[in-house]
Amino acid sequence: EIVLTQSPGTLSLSPGERATLSCRASQSVTSNYLAWYQQKPGQAPRLLIYGASNRATGIPDRFSGSGSGTDFTLTISRLEPEDFAVYYCQQYGGSPEVTFGQGTRLDIK
Amino acid sequence: EVQLVESGGGLVQPGGSLRLSCAASGFTFSTYWMYWVRQAPGKGLVWVSRIKGDGSEIRYADSVKGRFTISRDNAKNTVYLQMNSLRGEDTAVYYCVRGYSLGSMDYWGQGILVTVSS
Repeated sequence: EIVLTQSPGTLSLSPGERATLSCRASQSVTSNYLAWYQQKPGQAPRLLIYGASNRATGIPDRFSGSGSGTDFTLTISRLEPEDFAVYYCQQYGGSPEVTFGQGTRLDIK
Repeated sequence: EVQLVESGGGLVQPGGSLRLSCAASGFTFSTYWMYWVRQAPGKGLVWVSRIKGDGSEIRYADSVKGRFTISRDNAKNTVYLQMNSLRGEDTAVYYCVRGYSLGSMDYWGQGILVTVSS
């Protein structure tokens, strides 16, 4: 079973700062089938990044994804007030077919 | 505009059944994988099931295998989740989600709450 471990659990930063969120897989992720989602309270998740590094439609270029194999990173280059939320990584193709990380909460400092 | 609207949630006793529906619009429904993902109160996201556009391939998470059944009616642009033998740990918001590229999911419904309690 592929387990995704996100770190840190909570990240406290100020608007304008750079955020670096980590997602580590217990086994290599198939063909870099790794996605990142943002979820705000009371809302459904929103796709940010797919295929480890491809921005989804309409996602600002301050969001970027990188990594391969077992180590992946979501970077937000310059935090805007609306970026404070919970972020999840997700893999496809392992066993089980789809798994999510436990999430990283990005809080305003 | 892509829209996914879930319905059919509510309160059910342990051991009971419920059928969720998800009405899709704004895209060619029959060409997309569709997923169900759930989120227990205050917890993270958990994949439940997925079904191919033509219904020919279906997958389930181990936690629901044998109890839940996913299906779709492409004439009605609707995907279903039949949930039987419900347990307290099935209590969650259930999201209907469209499959996208490279194993990701791009459009999410607003979610529907299922509460399993006596």
